[in-house]
Amino acid sequence: GESVGLHLPTLSVQEGDNSIINCAYSNSASDYFIWYKQESGKGPQFIIDIRSNMDKRQGQRVTVLLNKTVKHLSLQIAATQPGDSAVYFCAENNAGNMLTFGGGTRLMVKP
Amino acid sequence: DVKVTQSSRYLVKRTGEKVFLECVQDMDHENMFWYRQDPGLGLRLIYFSYDVKMKEKGDIPEGYSVSREKKERFSLILESASTNQTSMYLCASRSTRYEKLFFGSGTQLSVL
Repeated sequence: GESVGLHLPTLSVQEGDNSIINCAYSNSASDYFIWYKQESGKGPQFIIDIRSNMDKRQGQRVTVLLNKTVKHLSLQIAATQPGDSAVYFCAENNAGNMLTFGGGTRLMVKP
Repeated sequence: DVKVTQSSRYLVKRTGEKVFLECVQDMDHENMFWYRQDPGLGLRLIYFSYDVKMKEKGDIPEGYSVSREKKERFSLILESASTNQTSMYLCASRSTRYEKLFFGSGTQLSVL
């Protein structure tokens, strides 16, 4: 089946720096991608999404980049804050209109 | 804002007990989902429902069943709880018009 994976299980950044969380996907037919943030003891919260007809989408302090050539998705967080500490998941929407989730990356922000 | 409410944050049950996990959403979403989340394994789909009284098996349905008698409510049932069902259970819902899932806060179930 399709797989959605992350390069780094844990990412540690200094407060104020930019963070980049990466995700590789294998299904070239996936047409929609989404990032979730999960804080300790809470359910995943939507951050940002992007369709396959786009390369980049920006939100508030977050940017998602999609490189379909190498099947790579990234989440960039500008000026990382302690409140950004969480686990981040990417997911892809496959032909069956179901989201397939990656394993997650833990972001730790050092003060 | 969409609200997906799971009835319990923490549950402790004994092996062999029948366990009910309840989920309610307030946005008239047609689709509802149950996932379990385990360290290193990510989110795995147990069951989902496209509409009232409809249910479909996900990737790991063994040992579970579901009920969707009303549109807003989706229940996960562990017929006879086992220790390997100790996990975080997440409910989610979405409209048929969009791919985005809205999640509840989760239920941490411990089976002793």
